[in-house]
This record gives sequence, C-alpha cells and structure tokens, in this order.
Amino acid sequence: DAKTTQPPSMDCAEGRAANLPCNHSTISGNEYVYWYRQIHSQGPQYIIHGLKNNETNEMASLIITEDRKSSTLILPHATLRDTAVYYCIVRVSSGGSNYKLTFGKGTLLTVNP
Amino acid sequence: GAVVSQHPSRVICKSGTSVKIECRSLDFQATTMFWYRQFPKQSLMLMATSNEGSKATYEQGVEKDKFLINHASLTLSTLTVTSAHPEDSSFYICSARDPLGGNTIYFGEGSWLTVV
Repeated sequence: DAKTTQPPSMDCAEGRAANLPCNHSTISGNEYVYWYRQIHSQGPQYIIHGLKNNETNEMASLIITEDRKSSTLILPHATLRDTAVYYCIVRVSSGGSNYKLTFGKGTLLTVNP
Repeated sequence: GAVVSQHPSRVICKSGTSVKIECRSLDFQATTMFWYRQFPKQSLMLMATSNEGSKATYEQGVEKDKFLINHASLTLSTLTVTSAHPEDSSFYICSARDPLGGNTIYFGEGSWLTVV
C-alpha cells in the first residue's frame, strides 16, 4: 500500500488560501490520490481526487507534482467551517474496479478568525 | 455528491444486548459498502467490506461473529453488534462506493454507540 505523510496540524486565517501538503512517494502509476475531510463527530466528506493532472471542483483544487510523489490540496478562501481533519489517501486496489480507503491520521486544519 | 444515510445516529444499549445500525445509499446503487469504527481522537479503522449478495470480508483482527454485516440489497447494508460490551462503544461509520459516479466512495453521517 502506498502510504501518505501529512503534517499533524496547520493553521490558516479566515479568507486566505489553505494549502495542505501530502507526501506519497511510493505511489504506483495506477493509484489515485483522494482527499476527504472530517468535521468533528461527522462522517468524512469527499473533497476531490486525481491521478496525474491537477483537478478543481467547487470545493477545492488538487495539485499533483509531475513525479506524483506529492500533492497539495488548496482551499482557495478558507472559512471557519473548513476547520476539520483533512485526509490524503492513496486508493488501494482490492481487486478489479474495487478499492478500499485506508485512513491515516490526517491534518487538523484550524481556520482562525 | 451522492448521499449515504445511517440510522440511528445515536444509540445506547445495555451490555449483553445486540444493536443494529443501518446504512443506506439514497440516490445510487452501491454494490460495495464499507464499515469503519472510530475511537475518540483516533482515525477511522476499516472493519469490513461488504458486497451485495455475498459474505463480508473482514479486516484482520475484527471478529466476524461479533460484528455481523448484511448487504441484502444494492441500497442497504446493516451492521449488528452482538453481545455488546462497553468497549464496543465507538463511532461507527459506513460508506458506499458509487459505481456510476467514478467509483467514488461516500460516507454516512456516522452512528454513536454507547454500551452501558
């Protein structure tokens, strides 16, 4: 399984961009990078995923380095409601098109007023 | 994104009894669902993977006779904690894979189980 490394915590000022890094140096060519977040006492929320190219949706942008060994999740204008634990996960294939998600410890992002 | 719903959101049961938690995919058919548990200030731990119509695959160290998983339809999976003990008190979270939505996995809101 390709493992991920994330800083345990980060702070960000409200209204500023939050850039959350993730290292996945052992990622293989067909493994996707997924990002989820978990607000306290709730189930994880899907944010975005990517393989090689940078991705953007209404929640965030995902920047993947050319060698795919690291990625950055960008929340362009962080709000207080973005305070959560953010998980970077490399998709582990469990056979065919199936896969499962194994969670690490994630990064606790605290958005300050 | 797709919606996954769990019920109940909170449950208190007596030690020695069994409790069932339901997980439903509301707007898609999920051939695969997953069950996690999470203790306070810890990350999610995958317990088992269930495929519709077949037996669940349990992660190492998870007792299959204690945590019964049924995935009888494409929109419903249930987790039954049998003979519950206080140490089973935890946050249980289900998720479901949307095969027509890029295989993205969506999570339910979670269920707090307290065994007294």
